[in-house]
Amino acid sequence: QSVLTQPPSASGTPGQRVTMSCSGSSSNLGSYPVTWYQQLPGTAPKLLIYSNNQRPSGVPDRFSGSQSGTSASLAVSGLQSEDEADYYCAAWDDSLTGWVFGGGTKLTVL
Amino acid sequence: EVHLVQSGGGLVQPGRSLRLSCAASGFAFQDFAMHWVRQVPGKGLEWVSNINWDSRDIDYADSVKGRFTVSRDNSGNSLYLQMDSLRPDDTAFYYCARSAGSFHPLDYWGQGTLVTVSS
Repeated sequence: QSVLTQPPSASGTPGQRVTMSCSGSSSNLGSYPVTWYQQLPGTAPKLLIYSNNQRPSGVPDRFSGSQSGTSASLAVSGLQSEDEADYYCAAWDDSLTGWVFGGGTKLTVL
Repeated sequence: EVHLVQSGGGLVQPGRSLRLSCAASGFAFQDFAMHWVRQVPGKGLEWVSNINWDSRDIDYADSVKGRFTVSRDNSGNSLYLQMDSLRPDDTAFYYCARSAGSFHPLDYWGQGTLVTVSS
């Protein structure tokens, strides 16, 4: 049972905009910015979005994040086949004194 | 270029020990906090432990507290995870990762190493 809650799956067709949600509590998303990771099959997670809506160099601006209260969301616009991956939200948790992750959302490009 | 190269995984019997290593290069290792995160094959990510730059601040997930020990060697640019009293539910891919501070985002990750605990 993950501390952060994500829907297990999401899907869209090429070119569409897809959003994924992440729900937490006051000790994590309510106090700290969300971080999003993309994990392609057989590879390590890759930092996608941090500090709510900052993108590391090399991450396309098709990816964007938002956060309000104890919830956050990741949006992917102009969906491409290479976006098919697992997406995880994460945040520091004050109560647990550690990082917590969502269970992940598997994005399928139809 | 930042590189985190892991070693030390493998098959181990329940109750035995294993030590994972993570060799860092391409950045000032001593300036960063380091983490271990694990992932049961086909499942989600679970944070395991973190250690700050000078090893004075260390945290563990409840699931490994008292059995796992994280350490680092700043002179050798290496991170370690000593895993004792291993259980079958410790079977997972283990990743090392760095961050600017304990609650800053984990921005670079190692390639992962599989630990299988089975008799």
